Amino acid sequence: KAGVTQTPRYLIKTRGQQVTLSCSPISGHRSVSWYQQTPGQGLQFLFEYFSETQRNKGNFPGRFSGRQFSNSRSEMNVSTLELGDSALYLCASSFPMRALNLADQETQYFGPGTRLLVL
Amino acid sequence: SQQGEEDPQALSIQEGENATMNCSYKTSINNLQWYRQNSGRGLVHLILIRSNEREKHSGRLRVTLDTSKKSSSLLITASRAADTASYFCATNAGGTSYGKLTFGQGTILTVHP
Repeated sequence: KAGVTQTPRYLIKTRGQQVTLSCSPISGHRSVSWYQQTPGQGLQFLFEYFSETQRNKGNFPGRFSGRQFSNSRSEMNVSTLELGDSALYLCASSFPMRALNLADQETQYFGPGTRLLVL
Repeated sequence: SQQGEEDPQALSIQEGENATMNCSYKTSINNLQWYRQNSGRGLVHLILIRSNEREKHSGRLRVTLDTSKKSSSLLITASRAADTASYFCATNAGGTSYGKLTFGQGTILTVHP
């Protein structure tokens, strides 16, 4: 079974631009969660989508948004980029349609991340 | 915001030794998960322990959970150079927050050959 994939892997943008990152979850998983990792703040939760609906949201400004499609693929968008948005963006998938047990349902599997540099 | 603290922040040991990392958290949890990260790459899931469990094993990994002290520990036995990585604990509150993990700051483990 293929793992979580994220595209692109690396991205360089300038301040004020916008960016869209993509995440394809493990086949059959219904939830996609997004995280931002920076040296200063560590790993922080952005939002989670489950069956095309945003189920949870972290403490990030409205410039950060996301969506999920009917095939469970998810995108996140950051508008009006700031220097501080430079980070590794990770997505994770969970909640398989056929879970063996609760642990199987709740385990989050991460993709390789997209490294965004804002100049 | 981070859920809690990991201790130590950095750990340096020799191959063959055991490595123990601790994690404390602040609020009630549904489960706690441990992850490994190599050099800023993606996170690799190691083990999940649910709030009603006290101990779990997976290969050379042993995880304990003490919900009364709001703490967990990860033990890696017979460490190898390939275990060199950052290790993170992450808590999940369950309920409507199933898809949200709150991470600690991590422990950087260096295993010298």
